[in-house]
Parts: sequence; structure tokens; C-alpha cells
Amino acid sequence: ETGVTQSPTHLIKTRGQQVTLRCSSQSGHNTVSWYQQALGQGPQFIFQYYREEENGRGNFPPRFSGLQFPNYSSELNVNALELDDSALYLCASSSSGGQVETQYFGPGTRLLVL
Amino acid sequence: AQSVTQPDIHITVSEGASLELRCNYSYGATPYLFWYVQSPGQGLQLLLKYFSGDTLVQGIKGFEAEFKRSQSSFNLRKPSVHWSDAAEYFCAVGARNNNDMRFGAGTRLTVKP
Repeated sequence: ETGVTQSPTHLIKTRGQQVTLRCSSQSGHNTVSWYQQALGQGPQFIFQYYREEENGRGNFPPRFSGLQFPNYSSELNVNALELDDSALYLCASSSSGGQVETQYFGPGTRLLVL
Repeated sequence: AQSVTQPDIHITVSEGASLELRCNYSYGATPYLFWYVQSPGQGLQLLLKYFSGDTLVQGIKGFEAEFKRSQSSFNLRKPSVHWSDAAEYFCAVGARNNNDMRFGAGTRLTVKP
């Protein structure tokens, strides 16, 4: 059984560019949540996808968008990058969007916006 | 609105000493509470969780936490700390389906030899 994987591990972009981050959920999991963790802070919830539909969203602007695919992998897209978007982006998968289930986190993608 | 406060930014303990990390939460309904650990450059690993039932929960690596509704607290404890426990610890409160989990700012644990 493979765990949650994320790609790429590191990324450098410039302000105004767009970025796509990818997450492969753990086998058997149908729910993926994305978090932004700025340096020295706790993770902040961006949104969750359950069976390919958005299932909750945190306080992030619309330029943060996502997708979930039939195999339950997911993408996070960020448009018009700003300097404050520099952070570690974590995805977490769980086995159901309707019950409290343990989330398993990937190692994260570290994004630097210059 | 739900929120989590971890009052201690940084704690240093000697190896073999006991540990308690504090967590206070604010939540309008039944809280689902979690403790995660994050080592440098890595993702988060779940230590333990509380949904209902016995207010003292046991987790991995010898950690335990106690839910106290009257104090809105969910403090993490370990009787004897090991050097490998040095890491960042996060308390979190979540909704039933994890679709709005809130994390505290974290407590960094340093272990002295």
C-alpha cells in the first residue's frame, strides 16, 4: 500500500505566474484535502475534494482552484501567484468525505514565489 | 468560528523528562480533536485523535492526550521524552468530515541530552 505522494517536491515561480501541484492519494482513499503551511505557522485548510466534487473550502481566493480525477488523485492550481503564496503545500487523503476519518498527509510541495 | 490555540511556541525538555504540550480550542459543536507531529522537511503524522468516549486517548510513540470539555483543552503528554521526539507538534480541531480542519500554530519541541 503506497502512501500519499506529492509532486514536485520543490518549485520556484515568479509573481504573476501560474502553478499546478499534484497529489496522489493513498490507495482506497476517495477524499483529498489541501493545506497551505506558511513558514512558522500551522497548516491552513484550502479546500477538500470528495468523489471529484469540491466539498468545503477555506478562506482562500478563487485563484486557488482544484480538481480531483476518477482515480482520486488531485491537483491544486494557483493563478496570478503572489509573494505571500510562498509556502509548503500539503495534501491529505482519507477514505470518506462523509465521516470523520483519519487523514494521511503527503510530504508536501515547497513553493517559492520570487 | 472554530480555532485552536497552542500557547507555547517553543518548549525545551531534557531527555527522559516528562512532557505536556497545551492546546485550547474553540468550537461550536462536538469537537473532533487531533494531534499531529511534523519533523523537518516532512509532512504531518497523526499521533492520536479524539472523537467521543473515553476522554483519555492513547496514541503512537507513547503519547496520550486528555480531553477536558470544561476547560476546552486537549493537552498532549508523554511520561518520558526521547531525543527522537524533537519536532513540531500541531493540535487541530475538525468538522465531522474533515472539510474545515483548523490547526494551531504549533509547538516546537527541543530535547536536551
